[in-house]
Amino acid sequence: SQTIHQWPATLVQPVGSPLSLECTVEGTSNPNLYWYRQAAGRGLQLLFYSVGIGQISSEVPQNLSASRPQDRQFILSSKKLLLSDSGFYLCAWTGLYNSPLHFGNGTRLTVT
Amino acid sequence: GENVEQHPSTLSVQEGDSAVIKCTYSDSASNYFPWYKQELGKGPQLIIDIRSNVGEKKDQRIAVTLNKTAKHFSLHITETQPEDSAVYFCAASIKGTYKYIFGTGTRLKVLA
Repeated sequence: SQTIHQWPATLVQPVGSPLSLECTVEGTSNPNLYWYRQAAGRGLQLLFYSVGIGQISSEVPQNLSASRPQDRQFILSSKKLLLSDSGFYLCAWTGLYNSPLHFGNGTRLTVT
Repeated sequence: GENVEQHPSTLSVQEGDSAVIKCTYSDSASNYFPWYKQELGKGPQLIIDIRSNVGEKKDQRIAVTLNKTAKHFSLHITETQPEDSAVYFCAASIKGTYKYIFGTGTRLKVLA
């Protein structure tokens, strides 16, 4: 069966520090991968998605970037965090077209 | 652009009563509609989905209905239990992409 791993679960970082969040998927090949952000009590905002290695689509201009160095690895990064980057970051994957999104358990990022 | 409206934003029901959450989508080409349940501090979990060639789907106490003409779809939970308390999100596929548009969520509280 397929599983998605996301870490760390929580992270507290000072303003101006770098960020690296990692997500890996097991049990499937060539997944479509996604990064979402969820502000407190809010909906899901799509940040990036990838349909293959090195292929990244950015949905919202911001202080973040994403990379996909391996088929089942998706990384969310920032060179300098802003207070507004605080939130709950979720990685997700899908297989076939029009198939369910499967989410990881998220990373709660607090920028202080 | 594509949009999904979700109502109500909060819903309180007595244990054993039914709960209904409604969503309206804007893109008539959307053809896949998943529903997610998100518990506190966790990622959203798929609970049921429906495709545009089906009008209704049931899974035990949960059902989803789809009205393509009106571009409405609804989640029905019968015989609610305290463990049904969570935030529920609807979503719609964006035709020709691997992306989904999410509703803004409904916080369901089941009162014992």
